[in-house]
Amino acid sequence: DAGVIQSPRHEVTEMGQEVTLRCKPISGHNSLFWYRQTMMRGLELLIYFNNNVPIDDSGMPEDRFSAKMPNASFSTLKIQPSEPRDSAVYFCASRASGHLNEQFFGPGTRLTVL
Amino acid sequence: AQKITQTQPGMFVQEKEAVTLDCTYDTSDPSYGLFWYKQPSSGEMIFLIYQGSYDQQNATEGRYSLNFQKARKSANLVISASQLGDSAMYFCAMREFLTGNQFYFGTGTSLTVIP
Repeated sequence: DAGVIQSPRHEVTEMGQEVTLRCKPISGHNSLFWYRQTMMRGLELLIYFNNNVPIDDSGMPEDRFSAKMPNASFSTLKIQPSEPRDSAVYFCASRASGHLNEQFFGPGTRLTVL
Repeated sequence: AQKITQTQPGMFVQEKEAVTLDCTYDTSDPSYGLFWYKQPSSGEMIFLIYQGSYDQQNATEGRYSLNFQKARKSANLVISASQLGDSAMYFCAMREFLTGNQFYFGTGTSLTVIP
């Protein structure tokens, strides 16, 4: 099993540019989560999907952020336009159904907005 | 109110000693799960141990054990025989089973193992 795959691993962009982060969950997992981690705010849940449907997007900071899950094996998190304060590590995690199943995290995407 | 509280921003422990990382939680859901994750300097999040709210015994996984005190709403992680490789950030998390899939994470505790 390849685990949760995220791309790119590192992204450096200029303010105002569009950024797209990608995630491939573990096959068979039906829940997918996007987190943002910064030193100041720690680990924040941005949005999560269940069976490809967005369930809770209350953590999405503002309209510049959007997330999609067109199918069970792919999700994107898009920031348009990006700002320096968006610089963070963005994690994707997936989870199988069932009470006891933990979340498996991807390696993260380190985003730097100049 | 915070769902998960970790009051120790940083901890130090001598190699081979045991250390306890504190975690308290807040929920009115009768059915929930508590998780601990480790995040080394390389950045990945690694699942360590799980405790269910109805589990009668404290969870153990190798050198990790969870001191679950339900009445006090605490789920402290105990690492025995600390190793240098245990130096990392440790996050406590909770999932409320009746209200959905969301995981709530604490702010983390940075553990440094001293040789």
